Amino acid sequence: AQTVTQSQPEMSVQEAETVTLSCTYDTSESDYYLFWYKQPPSRQMILVIRQEAYKQQNATENRFSVNFQKAAKSFSLKISDSQLGDAAMYFCAYGDDKIIFGKGTRLHILP
Amino acid sequence: DGGITQSPKYLFRKEGQNVTLSCEQNLNHDAMYWYRQDPGQGLRLIYYSQIVNDFQKGDIAEGYSVSREKKESFPLTVTSAQKNPTAFYLCASSIMEGISGNTIYFGEGSWLTVV
Repeated sequence: AQTVTQSQPEMSVQEAETVTLSCTYDTSESDYYLFWYKQPPSRQMILVIRQEAYKQQNATENRFSVNFQKAAKSFSLKISDSQLGDAAMYFCAYGDDKIIFGKGTRLHILP
Repeated sequence: DGGITQSPKYLFRKEGQNVTLSCEQNLNHDAMYWYRQDPGQGLRLIYYSQIVNDFQKGDIAEGYSVSREKKESFPLTVTSAQKNPTAFYLCASSIMEGISGNTIYFGEGSWLTVV
């Protein structure tokens, strides 16, 4: 069965600095998708970034980028120029015919 | 506006009662999902459905039931067999093809509390 592991329950970063959230996954599939979702205190789940496993190029969305290492089954999220609004729970997710989530990393932004 | 609507937002259940959480989407998405969120547990998949009249169990299906009679609707019933139902429940949907394939979009969630 597929699994997703986020090894950092909480992290803190100074405003305007860069932070990297880690995610590893386990699968025997070759074609799948990977996602990072943000959940602010409102509990609304917001898609941050999406990566297709067949694409070697790392996905980027403005200040958010990923480091996708398919052989290592690693999918980390880098947030550049951290802002106070980035404070939230971040979930890594794996998807093929269903989508499963890691336990999340709570990110604190220090002013 | 297109989106996913969950109702009710807050629900209280007495011991031994069944309750049903509603989820409706007007995004014309093929697949729908139900997740449960507990503190420190992340999101755990309860059930999912990729087409009408068909659905599959997720990791924690015991004590729950679903139906998919219409493409836009995927209600979740929390039965009395679910011993610890107090949690935050999230419904989601996705299309299965194209550039946005497999990206899931979420409703705002429903809080269920056993009293």
